[in-house]
Amino acid sequence: EAQVTQNPRYLITVTGKKLTVTCSQNMNHEYMSWYRQDPGLGLRQIYYSMNVEVTDKGDVPEGYKVSRKEKRNFPLILESPSPNQTSLYFCASSLSPQSSYNEQFFGPGTRLTVL
Amino acid sequence: GDSVTQMEGPVTLSEEAFLTINCTYTATGYPSLFWYVQYPGEGLQLLLKATKADDKGSNKGFEATYRKETTSFHLEKGSVQVSDSAVYFCALSPRGSNYKLTFGKGTLLTVNP
Repeated sequence: EAQVTQNPRYLITVTGKKLTVTCSQNMNHEYMSWYRQDPGLGLRQIYYSMNVEVTDKGDVPEGYKVSRKEKRNFPLILESPSPNQTSLYFCASSLSPQSSYNEQFFGPGTRLTVL
Repeated sequence: GDSVTQMEGPVTLSEEAFLTINCTYTATGYPSLFWYVQYPGEGLQLLLKATKADDKGSNKGFEATYRKETTSFHLEKGSVQVSDSAVYFCALSPRGSNYKLTFGKGTLLTVNP
């Protein structure tokens, strides 16, 4: 089944404890992206990747890191999480970023709480 | 920069009622426009899209028409069902590229039997 998977789905952690949220897609998509969803703010892009070893900042990159060493994986790293990073996180992928005809496929989300 | 404004929710309707969720946008040039739907506990799914002026996107009984003159992409459905209860997001991306999706804040729709 073609899908985007994220792990974990739920995570409660404490301020300053490094964590990684994994994202994997099995559709051979070039493009991958991370969003955060907050009440009243909709979805905002954190980072995106046009292909392996190519990443760039979105609208709200502060406090986050990403890497794209393989085409299928795009982990989101929080080196020192803070309470303002408590949010619902979504990973997305699409075949190519160069065409508007390619829809973005979203993962199921990761609910992160930082105490 | 690009922006999307959609009507604030929540919207509560009875089954078989008519639905309209307004969406207007500000963008350079002629963006592509999308409606995404998020069912409870799930990720977003593309509902419909339109890539040029006067295009009509449709899916599952939902429709939206790309209106360049009013910079709008309103979502409509003639007869909603309980299963349509979800959050609906309007979004845009620059022409020729979908690497930058700009979303509206979302509209929560609840349909009662």
